[in-house]
Amino acid sequence: GDSVTQMEGPVTLSEEAFLTINCTYTATGYPSLFWYVQYPGEGLQLLLKATKADDKGSNKGFEATYRKETTSFHLEKGSVQVSDSAVYFCALSDGGNAGKSTFGDGTTLTVKP
Amino acid sequence: ETGVTQTPRHLVMGMTNKKSLKCEQHLGHNAMYWYKQSAKKPLELMFVYSLEERVENNSVPSRFSPECPNSSHLFLHLHTLQPEDSALYLCASSQDITSGSYNEQFFGPGTRLTVL
Repeated sequence: GDSVTQMEGPVTLSEEAFLTINCTYTATGYPSLFWYVQYPGEGLQLLLKATKADDKGSNKGFEATYRKETTSFHLEKGSVQVSDSAVYFCALSDGGNAGKSTFGDGTTLTVKP
Repeated sequence: ETGVTQTPRHLVMGMTNKKSLKCEQHLGHNAMYWYKQSAKKPLELMFVYSLEERVENNSVPSRFSPECPNSSHLFLHLHTLQPEDSALYLCASSQDITSGSYNEQFFGPGTRLTVL
């Protein structure tokens, strides 16, 4: 079945540091890939997405590239801010799986001033 | 109202109570979902509805009973819950249940449930 493995947390960085959160996946078909973010006390919200190989999703300074050859979708940001502190979830959507999205376990990021 | 709304935001109930969680989406989507998010556990998909028909039930105990009267509303009826059912219950919707960007999910803020 489909699965998503993402870097274990928690991750603690200083403001303006470079961020990478690794994500790899297993899927039978050609899934769409997503990063969601969950701020404290809120639900998940879509951060960025990519629907086919070599697509790059980007939003709010975050980027991730759909790498089919390495089955990866790593999240990166060049300079994090305190306001980026949140839980980040990597996910895939495989249409052959009744529309179910498969989520990673989430990585907690804390950015200190 | 825009997006996905959930009520109540917080709920405390005893094990013998009956309560319901409500979710409403204002996005014109055809699919709706219930998830359970417990501390230090992965997100758990509970139920999937497409066009008001349940298409997935992930071995959820019968003390959780979903209802989808129309494509905009989703309920989760709760009865005789256990303390381990305490969690954040998230509702989500998506355009459809096919692959591609249509399956981007839009989440509500969740209901924080505490079972005493």
